[in-house]
Amino acid sequence: SQQGEEDPQALSIQEGENATMNCSYKTSINNLQWYRQNSGRGLVHLILIRSNEREKHSGRLRVTLDTSKKSSSLLITASRAADTASYFCATGYSTLTFGKGTMLLVSP
Amino acid sequence: DSGVTQTPKHLITATGQRVTLRCSPRSGDLSVYWYQQSLDQGLQFLIQYYNGEERAKGNILERFSAQQFPDLHSELNLSSLELGDSALYFCASSSQADPYNEQFFGPGTRLTVL
Repeated sequence: SQQGEEDPQALSIQEGENATMNCSYKTSINNLQWYRQNSGRGLVHLILIRSNEREKHSGRLRVTLDTSKKSSSLLITASRAADTASYFCATGYSTLTFGKGTMLLVSP
Repeated sequence: DSGVTQTPKHLITATGQRVTLRCSPRSGDLSVYWYQQSLDQGLQFLIQYYNGEERAKGNILERFSAQQFPDLHSELNLSSLELGDSALYFCASSSQADPYNEQFFGPGTRLTVL
């Protein structure tokens, strides 16, 4: 079963807009990771946030973590067409479990 | 380019057959992970090896097996193939045994079972 569940399943925005994706998980974690996958290709690690962190930034990415609500959000600011991809959150203790992902389409 | 290589890129075979997927991790990485990605199941962890030893097991069927060789490359063997085994199979590597370190994914092998 999926540990992380992303929401929305799909998101379509214009270039320059911000994109927000959410991830909810079921059991306690020690960290949460976000990955990006371009169509049918391998995943690329974006950012890792530890359970004792509330917010983390990396370039145009901002990740928040609320362990009390068992949820995380990924914000991509000033989106570009090249950000078009699927985004996955991943959690777990002994092994990583990925959600089903959010498909983001950024139109020029 | 993640530095992880997988061969072959595509594989088309028939039900009942056996195939071997190969993965070479990034130079120096001791951990290798195998994942299966399908439309209905999403991305599922199959198995992890660390420095030649099996480290963790996920949703891997008994018909599937893997190993990691002394040169650290890994192979995933799929036997008695069924239509439902059609999927993208990814290999990932990391430097540590801990799966929470960043994993570097290969480009995947697309398996089609006819």
